[in-house]
Amino acid sequence: DAKTTQPTSMDCAEGRAANLPCNHSTISGNEYVYWYRQIHSQGPQYIIHGLKNNETNEMASLIITEDRKSSTLILPHATLRDTAVYYCIVRGLNAGGTSYGKLTFGQGTILTVHP
Amino acid sequence: NAGVTQTPKFQVLKTGQSMTLQCAQDMNHEYMSWYRQDPGMGLRLIHYSVGAGITDQGEVPNGYNVSRSTTEDFPLRLLSAAPSQTSVYFCASSYSGWGQGRYNEQFFGPGTRLTVL
Repeated sequence: DAKTTQPTSMDCAEGRAANLPCNHSTISGNEYVYWYRQIHSQGPQYIIHGLKNNETNEMASLIITEDRKSSTLILPHATLRDTAVYYCIVRGLNAGGTSYGKLTFGQGTILTVHP
Repeated sequence: NAGVTQTPKFQVLKTGQSMTLQCAQDMNHEYMSWYRQDPGMGLRLIHYSVGAGITDQGEVPNGYNVSRSTTEDFPLRLLSAAPSQTSVYFCASSYSGWGQGRYNEQFFGPGTRLTVL
């Protein structure tokens, strides 16, 4: 699976949009981009995923650049409850053996939403 | 639905003791897995199962055993606890571990915090 690079930490004011970047310059054609978040002391939570088109769901939007080398997770109106570690994960289609089903969590971005 | 449940929430063991971490899901998911998360680090896959009676090793399986006798339950057994196994353990499940898409979205339990002295 491709390696991802995320900023260590970011701040955002409550009610404003939070834009979390992720670089995945070595992504290959069949690899998807997933975003999970982990609120303090809880298990990770799925947010959104995409291949090459922009995606939106009830939680967030995902913008993937045309060359697919980077993406941005957008939380349109951040709340205090969105304070968490956000993980950008690139996952291949054919991960098998000891990687079957595996999500590779890096260090992620610590997002702090301020009142 | 209760989702993914884990017990106990906290556990302290002495070196050499054995114990079983319990994990259950009520979503009829075929795929279940165990991860460990050490302080300041990402999650690492220990073992996984693609259905009742089928288990396999992840990237850090040493010192752990698993079994899957039912679709709902996937216990993780520590054979002889060591201080290096001090960690937070997360169980996860998904409809499938294969392919891409929302049907292999993984649902995580609340975790078990294990300390081995």
